[in-house]
Amino acid sequence: DAGVIQSPRHEVTEMGQEVTLRCKPISGHDYLFWYRQTMMRGLELLIYFNNNVPIDDSGMPEDRFSAKMPNASFSTLKIQPSEPRDSAVYFCASATDRNQPQHFGDGTRLSIL
Amino acid sequence: SQQGEEDPQALSIQEGENATMNCSYKTSINNLQWYRQNSGRGLVHLILIRSNEREKHSGRLRVTLDTSKKSSSLLITASRAADTASYFCATDPSGNTPLVFGKGTRLSVIA
Repeated sequence: DAGVIQSPRHEVTEMGQEVTLRCKPISGHDYLFWYRQTMMRGLELLIYFNNNVPIDDSGMPEDRFSAKMPNASFSTLKIQPSEPRDSAVYFCASATDRNQPQHFGDGTRLSIL
Repeated sequence: SQQGEEDPQALSIQEGENATMNCSYKTSINNLQWYRQNSGRGLVHLILIRSNEREKHSGRLRVTLDTSKKSSSLLITASRAADTASYFCATDPSGNTPLVFGKGTRLSVIA
């Protein structure tokens, strides 16, 4: 079992640029979660999907953020345009059900200059 | 919104000692989970305790749950340097919402 795979592991870009983060969940997991982690705010849930359908995106901070899950094995989180305050570690996690143990990827460390 | 709050925020102990971390929450729950996060890595699930359970063990880990006090504790016995990590509790609130994670306890085990 390969676990949850995220790419890239690190991303450094200038403000105003579009950023796309990618996630491959564990096969057979129906739920996929996107989180943002910062020292100040801890781990924040941005959006989650069930069977590729977005269920709750109330954690998405602004319209600059969007997420898609075109199929059961792939999801993207896009920031356009990016701002320095978006700098954080972004995690993807998957689970068999909403309240079951989540399996996390190793995250994407994003730095917006 | 923050449901689980860990205490203490940081803990430093000597190798071989026991480490106890606490989690308090506000609303009724279906289950409570503990996770570990090593530096630069994602969170790893450690143990799940259901609301009708009072204690659960997994290796050197012991978790207790007191629903009347809305609190849980994670005990790591005979700690090792490799236990150095952040530990998070996550609650499953009653209702159709996903897990809510606390801000974590940073544990340092000194060899």
